[in-house]
Amino acid sequence: DTAVSQTPKYLVTQMGNDKSIKCEQNLGHDTMYWYKQDSKKFLKIMFSYNNKELIINETVPNRFSPKSPDKAHLNLHINSLELGDSAVYFCASSQDGGFAEAFFGQGTRLTVV
Amino acid sequence: AQTVTQSQPEMSVQEAETVTLSCTYDTSESDYYLFWYKQPPSRQMILVIRQEAYKQQNATENRFSVNFQKAAKSFSLKISDSQLGDAAMYFCAYRSPGKLIFGQGTELSVKP
Repeated sequence: DTAVSQTPKYLVTQMGNDKSIKCEQNLGHDTMYWYKQDSKKFLKIMFSYNNKELIINETVPNRFSPKSPDKAHLNLHINSLELGDSAVYFCASSQDGGFAEAFFGQGTRLTVV
Repeated sequence: AQTVTQSQPEMSVQEAETVTLSCTYDTSESDYYLFWYKQPPSRQMILVIRQEAYKQQNATENRFSVNFQKAAKSFSLKISDSQLGDAAMYFCAYRSPGKLIFGQGTELSVKP
């Protein structure tokens, strides 16, 4: 069983569209994250949720909206996609928001054309 | 704010040799962990090794070991007996409550 799974793995879409990326973890972790990895491979945190509550919301356009229906799921919805949104998006989870290591999903490569 | 710096964008090592990847960080916190993650071409982020800041002993995991210098805020990764499968992007990461901050990464290639 995959510990942190994201769907889809690849997403190609046109500018202006709205899309969602789903994430589920079966580790029983309390904290989940979304990271963006740009073309230079730099990983930057976007959001962090602890038990369905938003903890971290970095400087991210409000076109990006995370939704956590329960603590095992953290979905990312993106409105009005732009070319600059093209990147790999990673979901991750950790036992808590303290010192525990993060487990990552396999990433979703989003390409906006 | 905490920062993590990896000053080597690319490194290369001969198979079976040893290579050291550098990482420095800046923080005013006293409690934190440090990690090295590996990202092979498959994109999957894999934890290689962790170091608790309160421990003086350097962490070791098989062929991977760290040199943790707390006062110097340095956290390097040594890979011994390098294998072709070690070729990947390596990220140093700083962890404290509410934060997991990554360095820019070092791309390691392994020559047969």
